[in-house]
Amino acid sequence: QVQLVESGGGVVQPGGSLRVSCAASGFTFSRYSIHWVRQAPGKGLEWVVVIETNGATSFYADSVKGRFTTSRDNSKNTLSLQINSLTPDDTAVYYCAKEFENGKWFFDYWGQGALVTVSP
Amino acid sequence: IVMTQSPATLSVSPGESATLSCRASQSIRNNLAWYQQKRGQAPSLLIYGASTRATGIPARFSGSGSGTEFTLTISSLQPEDFVVYYCQQHYNWPLTFGGGTKVEIK
Repeated sequence: QVQLVESGGGVVQPGGSLRVSCAASGFTFSRYSIHWVRQAPGKGLEWVVVIETNGATSFYADSVKGRFTTSRDNSKNTLSLQINSLTPDDTAVYYCAKEFENGKWFFDYWGQGALVTVSP
Repeated sequence: IVMTQSPATLSVSPGESATLSCRASQSIRNNLAWYQQKRGQAPSLLIYGASTRATGIPARFSGSGSGTEFTLTISSLQPEDFVVYYCQQHYNWPLTFGGGTKVEIK
């Protein structure tokens, strides 16, 4: 069955950096774009970034552009999100989510999420 | 594209129907998805293309609408349906979500 498992969350100080990873299984990883979506505590969902199948193309939300970088390794079925220059507003659960089909920009499978807390 | 959901909270009795609304700030044709999120869990896909149920979703969930106005109807609410629902436009970048509607027991 399809599984997405995030890891790497934690507590980091403002201005710090963190890397969140996502391990995928149960589907042909290299054929699907993967997205990151975040959710601040008690708040709604915010789309963050998509990385396309070949890993060469990514689109970022304006709120994270220049600070977040995503990459993927199709040989290992893994995805990572490098988060730099963290602020308290980045405190959230970060989900990786599988695109339904290429070009169908909604998500049929989600990971359980990784909590990133930015605190002094 | 700004997505606005209403109401923020909907109080309904078990067994009754619930109607949730989602409005887009510009036309998104039928490119709308609905998700259900249970407490402490990731969202799960209910509806896409405004009206197509995802695999395994019960028929009591139905979606309608096009352009800027969309509706999620849940008929005969079951205990597990009293959670939060989000809409998401999948028409244009950046992808955007509504603020959510919490369906609570009346």
